[in-house]
Amino acid sequence: QVQLVESGGGLVKPGGSLRLSCAASGFTFSDYYMSWIRQAPGKGLEWVSYISSSGSTIYYADSVKGRFTISRDNAKNSLYLQMNSLRAEDTAVYYCAREVQLGYYFDYWGQGTLVTVSS
Amino acid sequence: QSALTQPASVSGSPGQSITISCTGTSSDVGGYNYVSWYQQHPGKAPKLMIYDVSNRPSGVSNRFSGSKSGNTASLTISGLQAEDEADYYCSSYTSSITLYVFGTGTKVTVL
Repeated sequence: QVQLVESGGGLVKPGGSLRLSCAASGFTFSDYYMSWIRQAPGKGLEWVSYISSSGSTIYYADSVKGRFTISRDNAKNSLYLQMNSLRAEDTAVYYCAREVQLGYYFDYWGQGTLVTVSS
Repeated sequence: QSALTQPASVSGSPGQSITISCTGTSSDVGGYNYVSWYQQHPGKAPKLMIYDVSNRPSGVSNRFSGSKSGNTASLTISGLQAEDEADYYCSSYTSSITLYVFGTGTKVTVL
C-alpha cells in the first residue's frame, strides 16, 4: 500500500535551518509529482512547494521562495525540503503529498512532521 | 495569492444534507476544472474526497459530491453521519506562479 513517512522535524531557532525528508513506498516514486504542504497550529492548509517526477520543474509559494529548496532522489524513493532562514511563521506540521501526473490533486498524504521555530 | 473563501462552519443533523462553498477567482476555481476537496479529522492527515470538481476516488462514499458554478465550487454531503464531523478544505490549481491554493477551511458539525 502507498506510504509516505515524513521525518526531520523539530525545534529550531529563528534564522536556523532544517531538512525534512519523506520516504515513499508502495508505488513507483519516479512516476509521480510530489508536493510539500504545511499547516500552522490551529490553522488551515498552505501549499509550500512542488517538484515534478524527474525533478526538472519546481514551484514554491511566495512565502518560502528563496529560503526553502525542494528536491528528490528517485533512486532512494525520497523527497526532501531544505528550509533555511526559518521564521516563527514557518512553525507548522509539514506534510508530503503525492500527485498523479497532470492530476492537480493530492491523492495520498503522509502523517506529517512538526517544525517549531522559536527562541 | 489569497486563499479560497470557505464558510468557517457548517452544521446539520444526522441524515440531512449540507453544502460547503469554496469561492475563488477566474484565475483558479473559475478558470479550471481542477478543484479538489479534502477531509481532515483532528490530529490526522487530510484525505482526498473529491477531485477534478466532481470525481470521487475509489473508496469514498457516494454521499459526497462536488460541483462548480462560475468562481464557486461546492461540496455536498448527503445523509450526514457522525463520522463526517471534520474539517474540510477545497483546493484549486491556479494560473498564478504559486501553482496551488487552498481554501480557508470549514468545520462541519453533526448536531
